[in-house]
Amino acid sequence: DAEITQSPRHKITETGRQVTLACHQTWNHNNMFWYRQDLGHGLRLIHYSYGVQDTNKGEVSDGYSVSRSNTEDLPLTLESAASSQTSVYFCASSELDRASEQYFGPGTRLTVT
Amino acid sequence: GNSVTQMEGPVTLSEEAFLTINCTYTATGYPSLFWYVQYPGEGLQLLLKATKADDKGSNKGFEATYRKETTSFHLEKGSVQVSDSAVYFCALSDRNSGYALNFGKGTSLLVTP
Repeated sequence: DAEITQSPRHKITETGRQVTLACHQTWNHNNMFWYRQDLGHGLRLIHYSYGVQDTNKGEVSDGYSVSRSNTEDLPLTLESAASSQTSVYFCASSELDRASEQYFGPGTRLTVT
Repeated sequence: GNSVTQMEGPVTLSEEAFLTINCTYTATGYPSLFWYVQYPGEGLQLLLKATKADDKGSNKGFEATYRKETTSFHLEKGSVQVSDSAVYFCALSDRNSGYALNFGKGTSLLVTP
């Protein structure tokens, strides 16, 4: 069965360190997204991609970067982790249609100390 | 820009009670509307969707009707079960947001026996 996976599931890191969160999907979807979930804010869009070599900034992209070298993967990098980036991060993918369902990964809980 | 407003939780109901979770939206285009559900410790999964005015989405006893005149997409269920305890998110996507989702802040539902 097709799926979307994230790793690690939990990560503790120190302020200033570079961190990369992995996202891998086997749906063969062109669209991939990264969101962060915080109490009182719901889910907010960080970055998204419509295909290989395409990346776009979302609502809360400062301090984050992504790259898309193949269809299956969209890693999210925190260039220099800050305590404000402590959150739960969700990756999602979908087909090329505004009405398409987004399929979500299980999430990565990141704590920056 | 686009935005989604949903009622604040938490909502606590007894089993077999009627559920309504209000959701209103602001969009510059013609959005698709979604309800996603998040069970404890899991990612989000699509509950139902509607892609044009007057469409009714339904799944697992839940329903929501796309009301363009009131810009609303309220979630309803006639008789909730303990297993419905989760966080519910209203969301929209349209041409202006590409294929990304704009989420409401989420409503936590607890159903007691």
